[in-house]
Amino acid sequence: QVQLVQSGAEVKKPGASVKVSCKASGYTFIDSDINWVRQAPGHGLEWMGWMNPNSGNTGYAQKFQGRVTMTGDTTLSTASMELSSLTSEDTAVYYCARGGGPMVNFAFDIWGQGTMVTVS
Amino acid sequence: DIGMTQTPLSLSVTPGQPASISCKSSQSLLHGNRKTYLYWYLQKPGQSPQLLIHEVSSRFSGVPDRFSGSGSGTDFTLKISRVEAEDVGVYYCMQGRHLPYTFGQGTKLEIK
Repeated sequence: QVQLVQSGAEVKKPGASVKVSCKASGYTFIDSDINWVRQAPGHGLEWMGWMNPNSGNTGYAQKFQGRVTMTGDTTLSTASMELSSLTSEDTAVYYCARGGGPMVNFAFDIWGQGTMVTVS
Repeated sequence: DIGMTQTPLSLSVTPGQPASISCKSSQSLLHGNRKTYLYWYLQKPGQSPQLLIHEVSSRFSGVPDRFSGSGSGTDFTLKISRVEAEDVGVYYCMQGRHLPYTFGQGTKLEIK
């Protein structure tokens, strides 16, 4: 079945970087964008950016510009999101989500299980 | 950034009764291609968000027909015709028309 499986929880110190991976299966990885969304404890959803696995093109929310890098490895069907200069405000669950294409109006139709990143 | 304002922020509903959530955007979500990039997601307790509705009113595969979406421009509504116990969670609207994409604050649905 179509799924996104993310890497495990991370604990990082302030100032460090974290890299979260998202392995796609059940569909052709290069056919769909991968978006990253985060959710701080007890808070709502915040879109961080997107990456096109075919072209490598990316688009980041201005809030994260200069601090986030989204990449894809087509040989492994895996997307990654690296966030640097971490502070306690980056403590959150990070989700990858597939951009579903025109049939679903480009909605995020498949989500990973989430990766908890704790900065402490 | 486009503001997405949901009301109410919480809802307590008796099973079998209807529920309605409003979502208002600070700018129109209608694109020149005549598509409106407004989605609804449900995040059940302890789970990842899941897609319910795309393009304002189209139910995603497997979503029960008790869920319906409506609206245009800047005003949108999600309705549940008869709430069931499995519908508990937080409902989010999201706009995909303008970068950065933005979500509403979420509406928590509880069962009475």
